[in-house]
Amino acid sequence: DIQMTQSPSTLSASVGDRVTITCRASQSISNWLAWYQQKPGKAPKLLIYKASSLESGVPSRFSGSGSGTEFTLTISSLQPDDFATYYCQQYNSDSTFGQGTKVEIK
Amino acid sequence: QVQLVQSGAEVKKPGASVKVSCKAFGYNFNTYYMHWVRLAPGQGLEWIGFLTPGGVDTGRAQNFQGRVSMTRDTSTNTVYMELSSLRSEDTAIYYCARGPPTGAYYFDSWGQGALVTVSS
Repeated sequence: DIQMTQSPSTLSASVGDRVTITCRASQSISNWLAWYQQKPGKAPKLLIYKASSLESGVPSRFSGSGSGTEFTLTISSLQPDDFATYYCQQYNSDSTFGQGTKVEIK
Repeated sequence: QVQLVQSGAEVKKPGASVKVSCKAFGYNFNTYYMHWVRLAPGQGLEWIGFLTPGGVDTGRAQNFQGRVSMTRDTSTNTVYMELSSLRSEDTAIYYCARGPPTGAYYFDSWGQGALVTVSS
């Protein structure tokens, strides 16, 4: 199985901050990576697919980059609605998720 | 618009089976894959498996081989996921999630989730 490791596990930030979350794969997954946002009691929401493609309707402050084994999700200017848990997901071989990164208010 | 509506919460005893449903609205049901993902307390998301648009083929994660069955009813645009031989570690919220027609395993729409509790 391909293991996905996210860092950090928790991130404290303020509104307006630039936020970066990293996701590393245990082996190369090309660009078969997605990012999701999940809020308590809600289903996950797709933000990014194929490493850098922005899902329709997702604000442009979200962006993804990377290929191979190292990927990043960047929020250019954190908004109040962005405090949530973020997951990366590889889909190069079946599918596995990272353990999540909780973005909390500083 | 696209909507996936799941069945309600279930409480089951260890060793029993549970069947969760997911009814699709607002798109061509016969074009998209349907996947299942779960979120256990204190854990991250875990992919369970999928059903192809034709409803004939399925795929499943190694952890669920021999224990999960996925089916569909085209007359009601509903898919089902049945998990057998339940144990306490199967306590989780189970989500259905739509995958694109390309077959890529990312998910652009999700059900609201169904809580399954396994307890004696």
